[in-house]
Amino acid sequence: GAVVSQHPSRVICKSGTSVKIECRSLDFQATTMFWYRQFPKKSLMLMATSNEGSKATYEQGVEKDKFLINHASLTLSTLTVTSAHPEDSSFYICSARAAGRNTEAFFGQGTRLTVV
Amino acid sequence: GDSVTQMEGPVTLSEEAFLTINCTYTATGYPSLFWYVQYPGEGLQLLLKATKADDKGSNKGFEATYRKETTSFHLEKGSVQVSDSAVYFCALITGNQFYFGTGTSLTVIP
Repeated sequence: GAVVSQHPSRVICKSGTSVKIECRSLDFQATTMFWYRQFPKKSLMLMATSNEGSKATYEQGVEKDKFLINHASLTLSTLTVTSAHPEDSSFYICSARAAGRNTEAFFGQGTRLTVV
Repeated sequence: GDSVTQMEGPVTLSEEAFLTINCTYTATGYPSLFWYVQYPGEGLQLLLKATKADDKGSNKGFEATYRKETTSFHLEKGSVQVSDSAVYFCALITGNQFYFGTGTSLTVIP
């Protein structure tokens, strides 16, 4: 299947700093990318959906100024957690879909963020 | 609106037992249905899919049949292994909208 690469896999940062997570589709053009947050033993929580070249659409309750999403090209989307706090510590997962009706999504490996 | 309802876990089985994880869906259009698997500490991997009614998706001994009459896509495996321990997500895609079930944690004990 298609490959989506997410980087870094783990990051530890100090409270108040910003962290950028990258999501790349390696062998297809991702017209739509999704960012999820997953709490321990919980399901995936969709944070936002981004289409290449457009502003991301955020889910209710997700602070767009805190979780900055950029989808500048068909192979790269980034999530920047600004002014991170310990409560932002979580597992973040991206997924990407190519254009076309009902095409499946492919997922990155996830990023474990720990804010200390 | 469209949605996916998935059997709640956790599920614990002995090795070589039969597995069923139920998934039902609600959709107004003609969705494609998927099962994803998440191993500990990793992202999600596509396990199998079915794009139209009566299709059967299969992979690694897992199977699921797209049943339009019962709006279901139950995941089955005849003989589970310890290595199948993971969280399984049922998903539906219709157009550009993507919906996940809540995930079912499976633990297989030797």
